[in-house]
Amino acid sequence: GESVGLHLPTLSVQEGDNSIINCAYSNSASDYFIWYKQESGKGPQFIIDIRSNMDKRQGQRVTVLLNKTVKHLSLQIAATQPGDSAVYFCAENIPGNQFYFGTGTSLTVIP
Amino acid sequence: EAQVTQNPRYLITVTGKKLTVTCSQNMNHEYMSWYRQDPGLGLRQIYYSMNVEVTDKGDVPEGYKVSRKEKRNFPLILESPSPNQTSLYFCASSPPNQPQHFGDGTRLSIL
Repeated sequence: GESVGLHLPTLSVQEGDNSIINCAYSNSASDYFIWYKQESGKGPQFIIDIRSNMDKRQGQRVTVLLNKTVKHLSLQIAATQPGDSAVYFCAENIPGNQFYFGTGTSLTVIP
Repeated sequence: EAQVTQNPRYLITVTGKKLTVTCSQNMNHEYMSWYRQDPGLGLRQIYYSMNVEVTDKGDVPEGYKVSRKEKRNFPLILESPSPNQTSLYFCASSPPNQPQHFGDGTRLSIL
């Protein structure tokens, strides 16, 4: 099966600092990547996505970077807030619409 | 309100007793999918459907069945549940090649 891994299972940051969550993927045919946020007791919620023809995409306080050479994806959260505390997943889409998710990184924001 | 609705939210049952988890979406999405989430393993795709009467196996289809007779519904069927199917299940839907909307999950315990 596919391997979508995260470098760190947990991450703690001070409120107001920037957070960086990393993800490695293994299939060079993957052409679409998505970051999700999951709060306790809820389903994953879409944050930002990026297609393989791009290397950077920005949203509100979030930026996704894609490095296809090393098959690496990162999520940057600017000015992290307590409400950002959650588990973050990356997902890769292989053409044909099969999705593979990483195991998740738990982000804790320290007030 | 746009949503993916799963029922039941919680179920405790016994080995071998057939069960169905329903999933319904009101967004007219073509794509629907089922995932299971287990500690340390992230979300793994069970089955997905590109449209009515079209279903495909995901990464972990063994022991599960699905059907897609109508666009809005995508039930997950466990014909003979076993304890290793104890998990948290999520249904999701989306337009093709777009971020998925997830339900709030169904926690199944099979004794």
